[in-house]
Amino acid sequence: EAEVAQSPRYKITEKSQAVAFWCDPISGHATLYWYRQILGQGPELLVQFQDESVVDDSQLPKDRFSAERLKGVDSTLKIQPAELGDSAMYLCASSPQPGGFYGYTFGSGTRLTVV
Amino acid sequence: GQQVMQIPQYQHVQEGEDFTTYCNSSTTLSNIQWYKQRPGGHPVFLIQLVKSGEVKKQKRLTFQFGEAKKNSSLHITATQTTDVGTYFCAEGVSNKFYFGSGTKLNVKP
Repeated sequence: EAEVAQSPRYKITEKSQAVAFWCDPISGHATLYWYRQILGQGPELLVQFQDESVVDDSQLPKDRFSAERLKGVDSTLKIQPAELGDSAMYLCASSPQPGGFYGYTFGSGTRLTVV
Repeated sequence: GQQVMQIPQYQHVQEGEDFTTYCNSSTTLSNIQWYKQRPGGHPVFLIQLVKSGEVKKQKRLTFQFGEAKKNSSLHITATQTTDVGTYFCAEGVSNKFYFGSGTKLNVKP
């Protein structure tokens, strides 16, 4: 079964450092999402891509977060500088088309701990 | 973004008992999805509901969409230990889905 690949699986970083997460969606999935999930809460949408274009980044804290999907395939989410409150699971999801009618497929996520 | 409210936040049941989680919105929902997240895992898509009053079943799981499309429920009949996890509803808005806070289900054998 096709999977969404994410790396690293775990990341510990000191506050004020830069950190980056990588996501490779299911082949052919044009729509890609980054979510942040704080422990005990539901996933919170950060950014949506359609191919290489950002469709919605209204929930992305742009002073420190950036996301790109240069060739419309894999994507990188960056935080610079990291803050203690950024500790969370960062989930990538993809779907074949906008709207996710057939549901999102999530990756296993990157667990970020900022110390 | 929009956010649906889920209740209860936690539910502890004895294996074999039934379980229901509810998802409520103050506005009319265009569609709603349900996901399951096992402890330490990632959300896994279960189902999407689109039509008013829709009822869908997956083995022991029954999903309902309210007539007014302002609420939805997930019912599990005769829970098993494999049902342990957090169940999320997600509201569809402008080609994106916004997740509720989830109901964490614990099943005691």
